[in-house]
Order: sequence, then structure tokens, then C-alpha cells
Amino acid sequence: DAGITQSPRHKVTETGTPVTLRCHQTENHRYMYWYRQDPGHGLRLIHYSYGVKDTDKGEVSDGYSVSRSKTEDFLLTLESATSSQTSVYFCATTGTGDGYTFGSGTRLTVV
Amino acid sequence: SQQGEEDPQALSIQEGENATMNCSYKTSINNLQWYRQNSGRGLVHLILIRSNEREKHSGRLRVTLDTSKKSSSLLITASRAADTASYFCATALTGNQFYFGTGTSLTVIP
Repeated sequence: DAGITQSPRHKVTETGTPVTLRCHQTENHRYMYWYRQDPGHGLRLIHYSYGVKDTDKGEVSDGYSVSRSKTEDFLLTLESATSSQTSVYFCATTGTGDGYTFGSGTRLTVV
Repeated sequence: SQQGEEDPQALSIQEGENATMNCSYKTSINNLQWYRQNSGRGLVHLILIRSNEREKHSGRLRVTLDTSKKSSSLLITASRAADTASYFCATALTGNQFYFGTGTSLTVIP
């Protein structure tokens, strides 16, 4: 996981506040993804990016937005955090499509 | 949803035994991958098998793919305590989007 850094690693926030999670890669990979992982649901795709300023929605995108202004950074924003967004968030990248490289995750708790 | 489903949800074996877990998916795929996740960590890519392949090996791992049954299996031979983890299959329909199953939790008892 050395090539992907997620920050923060842990965060507790209040309902209704905006939250931004950061993913930074040194792999120079074109594709970047945000997933959330919840018990019983596995990993679900929130948003992904196929290049600078090129992003698209995944299967659970409501309440989330993303931005990618540089190849190495992919930001996930919870516009107004809700308790249902309490989860572990993973960033992943791929260059050739032959497998993802994952970050170590951000554990977010919304109280 | 393209999501795969792993079976069993949990598996407990003795060290040295073989572990087999299965993945079923819903529609035609481009490739299928297996990942391992240790507790509190991100997922680690183990192996990829393409839709035109039937079997693939990597060290103690053996993956099979049956596209007619829309299923795959992961075999870990001579298991070790360090293999204790959750294992996920991920399917790619086209391009670079992968859909993950809910995982098999493997416990290897020393």
C-alpha cells in the first residue's frame, strides 16, 4: 500500500457537517476509485475517475461528490454527513486494469 | 448489480489443510479477480483470471473459472495461520470497474 495514502485514517464528525477524505497516489495510475465497505454489503463503488477532471458515479453515489484536479489526488466529499455514511472508505487505483491497488482505508464515524 | 457472491461466508480449517471458496456472478465478465483483506487493512490483489482462461496458479493459490456456470473457485493449498483473512472476488464486465462480493472469512487454526 505504500503507493497510496489515505487521510485521515480515522475521523469522527457530527451529522450535517461536510467532510473531505483524501487519496494520494504515487503510482501515476490513470484510474482512481472510492469504495465504502460495510458489513453484509462488501465493497460498493461510490465514484471513480478515469483522468484529471474526468469522474463518474458508482452504485452508491448519493450524498457524495468527488474531485480530481491532479493525477495523484482524488478527493471524496460528504456534502452533509449522515449516520448512514458511517463506514470504512477505501481508495483504489489501477493503471492497466489488471488489478487494483488499495489504500489502508479511512474509518469514518458520523455521530 | 454485477456483484459476485462468495460461498461459504465463513470457513474454519486446521493449518495444513486446503481451503476452497467459491464465487458466483450474474452476467458475462471480462475477467475475475481474487483479493485478500487482513483485519483492519486494505485489500490486496491475489490473482486475475480472464474470461478465456479456465485455470490459473500462483504459488499455493489455484483459481478456476467456469463461464458457463458463472462461477469461480479459489483453492489455497497447505494453509497457514497467516492465511487467516477475508477473501473477495471481484468481477469486471468491461473496462476498469470492478464489483466485489461480500467475502469469505477464512480462519486457519494453528
